[in-house]
Amino acid sequence: SQKIEQNSEALNIQEGKTATLTCNYTNYSPAYLQWYRQDPGRGPVFLLLIRENEKEKRKERLKVTFDTTLKQSLFHITASQPADSATYLCALDMNNAGNMLTFGGGTRLMVKP
Amino acid sequence: DVKVTQSSRYLVKRTGEKVFLECVQDMDHENMFWYRQDPGLGLRLIYFSYDVKMKEKGDIPEGYSVSREKKERFSLILESASTNQTSMYLCASSQLRDREYFGPGTRLLVL
Repeated sequence: SQKIEQNSEALNIQEGKTATLTCNYTNYSPAYLQWYRQDPGRGPVFLLLIRENEKEKRKERLKVTFDTTLKQSLFHITASQPADSATYLCALDMNNAGNMLTFGGGTRLMVKP
Repeated sequence: DVKVTQSSRYLVKRTGEKVFLECVQDMDHENMFWYRQDPGLGLRLIYFSYDVKMKEKGDIPEGYSVSREKKERFSLILESASTNQTSMYLCASSQLRDREYFGPGTRLLVL
């Protein structure tokens, strides 16, 4: 069965450092992968989408890589700030018809001043 | 900006009650989704709809039903609420399937 793994342990980093979060998947070849941010008690908010033919995508301080050979995506936040503290979710399309997304469990990021 | 609203932020119901959760989106999106989110289990898809009166089961449809009579509105129904349905319920909508827009969530407690 399809499986998406994100580190369930919280990631604690110091302000100004680069945070790197990992999303691994098995038994599937998604056409694209998405990253969302979720704050406590709120719905997830879309951040970035990267397609299978794209190796890297950037948006301001965010960078996402997508390695379809390793079946892994890395999500980087450079010059991290305490306001970046949140849970970050990755999501993959379950089929190439794009009808359903499967979400990972999320990784909680804590940026300390 | 797309706005997805949910009828309640917090809801307390008793076991056996019928529960309605409503979701409304204002961007004329074709697709709408209902998820539940539980600690350690992440977001799980209950049902989705790609058109009015159309519905598809997600990963965990048991104990739930849905209704989409109008394009902007997608309702989740718990026919007979049980304590294991205590959870955070999230509605989402999308048009091109390139991103989903989520509502603020409804935290349901079933006693």
